[in-house]
Amino acid sequence: NAGVTQTPKFRVLKTGQSMTLLCAQDMNHEYMYWYRQDPGMGLRLIHYSVGEGTTAKGEVPDGYNVSRLKKQNFLLGLESAAPSQTSVYFCAVSTGKTANSPLHFGNGTRLTVT
Amino acid sequence: GEDVEQSLFLSVREGDSSVINCTYTDSSSTYLYWYKQEPGAGLQLLTYIFSNMDMKQDQRLTVLLNKKDKHLSLRIADTQTGDSAIYFCAEIPSGGYNKLIFGAGTRLAVHP
Repeated sequence: NAGVTQTPKFRVLKTGQSMTLLCAQDMNHEYMYWYRQDPGMGLRLIHYSVGEGTTAKGEVPDGYNVSRLKKQNFLLGLESAAPSQTSVYFCAVSTGKTANSPLHFGNGTRLTVT
Repeated sequence: GEDVEQSLFLSVREGDSSVINCTYTDSSSTYLYWYKQEPGAGLQLLTYIFSNMDMKQDQRLTVLLNKKDKHLSLRIADTQTGDSAIYFCAEIPSGGYNKLIFGAGTRLAVHP
């Protein structure tokens, strides 16, 4: 998945701790997304951004915050982690120029909250 | 509401055809997609179909769309062990910004 880099790849948190997941792209695309993947539930959209300085809520935004201060970076923050946030988090980017613009995904961040 | 449904598992023998089915609810969806996820990796776009098409073929992949029944299928001919993965159906409902709604994914297992 060249072009979309997620860090870290793995993380274990204790309940109540905070952390930030970083998504970096080198494709100069406008649209960026954060999804979470849970068994049997597919991918659900947390937040997304259609350009630098803009963010919007997706399907499951509660407990997360995001920022897009620079076009190439989209940060996902957990202020007070909960076990329900144990998941695999995927970042995706798209040109967004046409409705069939494909999403390019990172390799994911596996987060465990104990 | 927006919902995409898929069966969770499919097991086929190597060399046979695989058919993965999907139903969606948003009749205004313009494009419908199939993504593939291999273990430990993100999703990769396999193919997509525009809503005014009934069928799209791309090498071993055939996508069939029945817009009346809101049913989408992906057929993989001559399935190989390298096709073992999770396959996600996805749609972009009305509202824009390319916000894909994914199904839960179908895990395809290919055995000798």
